[in-house]
Amino acid sequence: GAGVSQSPSNKVTEKGKDVELRCDPISGHTALYWYRQRLGQGLEFLIYFQGNSAPDKSGLPSDRFSAERTGESVSTLTIQRTQQEDSAVYLCASSGNRGQETQYFGPGTRLLVL
Amino acid sequence: AQTVTQSQPEMSVQEAETVTLSCTYDTSESDYYLFWYKQPPSRQMILVIRQEAYKQQNATENRFSVNFQKAAKSFSLKISDSQLGDAAMYFCAYRSRPARQLTFGSGTQLTVLP
Repeated sequence: GAGVSQSPSNKVTEKGKDVELRCDPISGHTALYWYRQRLGQGLEFLIYFQGNSAPDKSGLPSDRFSAERTGESVSTLTIQRTQQEDSAVYLCASSGNRGQETQYFGPGTRLLVL
Repeated sequence: AQTVTQSQPEMSVQEAETVTLSCTYDTSESDYYLFWYKQPPSRQMILVIRQEAYKQQNATENRFSVNFQKAAKSFSLKISDSQLGDAAMYFCAYRSRPARQLTFGSGTQLTVLP
């Protein structure tokens, strides 16, 4: 597609349930990022994938958070045993390589944990 | 660790006037990138302008320009001839060349008054 897409757009879940959020990067982009944006705040880095290299997981807040990416395609962010503090917008971004440093963002998934 | 500070939570400007949004950052790196992103209510993060630290010339994109003061670690955004469509949350972001993830400020909510 023309841009980064994310699904679902909105997700409401009950505390303790697991959720999966999906990101489709721009075709040909080798790098993919997940960020979290709490209400009224800036974005916090979660995880970064670059090609087939080991991901940079340094931003994941707890072991309940994990993400996968197959090659240079779709990525899934999974939150297990959701807590109310996980409520946020989860944004995905992708960028090219070889000096193409600009990150292009998707529209985000708004997660509400009741 | 790098930090990005936006000291103006809210700003307003009259349509057709000029407004400047402030951003300061803290880093020990010498090679890095700076960005301004716009986030309208749709949540989509849109790149407004970027600046490479090694370039002394201030970046310009149509009505948007920056004042990059490397020694002072300041990176302000000037919007000329403000339009109603410029109303959004504006985020300043930093990225060092070795790292890939962005560090964001807390944002400035810009209101454009007709």
